[in-house]
Amino acid sequence: QTVVTQEPSFSVSPGGTVTLTCGLSSGSVSTNYYTSWYQQTPGQGPRPLIYSTSIRSSGVPDRFSGSIVGNKAALTITGARADDESDYYCVLYMGSGLWVFGGGTKVTVL
Amino acid sequence: QVQLQESGPGLVKPSETLSLTCSVSGGSIKGYYWTWIRQPPGKGLEWIGYIYYSGSTNYNSSLKSRVTISLDTPKSQFSLRLSSVIAADTAVYYCARAHYNNYAIDYWGLGTRVIVSS
Repeated sequence: QTVVTQEPSFSVSPGGTVTLTCGLSSGSVSTNYYTSWYQQTPGQGPRPLIYSTSIRSSGVPDRFSGSIVGNKAALTITGARADDESDYYCVLYMGSGLWVFGGGTKVTVL
Repeated sequence: QVQLQESGPGLVKPSETLSLTCSVSGGSIKGYYWTWIRQPPGKGLEWIGYIYYSGSTNYNSSLKSRVTISLDTPKSQFSLRLSSVIAADTAVYYCARAHYNNYAIDYWGLGTRVIVSS
């Protein structure tokens, strides 16, 4: 069973930059996995941020960007703000009608 | 603006069947994967499965033997049935829409909390 891996937690200073990654337990993530990223704050549903690896969803500021870094998908937050403190999830389309979520990364801004 | 709204019982007894319905408004059923996702308390998101507008389905292999997703196109609704529930099925259940061409899960319901307990 393929596992999608994310860092459990990350800390970033206000105004700083953080890059979260989304990898595979076996193999490399490419654009063929159509990576999407979501932001979730406590008690709320997921908010779409990025789809198809690097395309920002409607209304998402350009402080959020998606890319492939090495063998993983990546979400970079630049100019971190207090309200970026959230859980961030990636999901990969594995083909054959299957999606797999990563375990999520808790981002703290302090 | 597309909106999705989950409905169904918030409490289900162990060994019984969990049944939820998602009502879709503001957009067409055609051309999308209508998807269920869940999130146990304090844990991450888990993709459960989808029904395509044509009626084809696919499910998470870990739940496949217990899950059925169905579609009522005239009512713009799709439903989830999860049989033989156990405590570990306690979660917030989200319905969502995914695109056929870029596989983005772009619209989500607010989620409904289901507790499995006697």
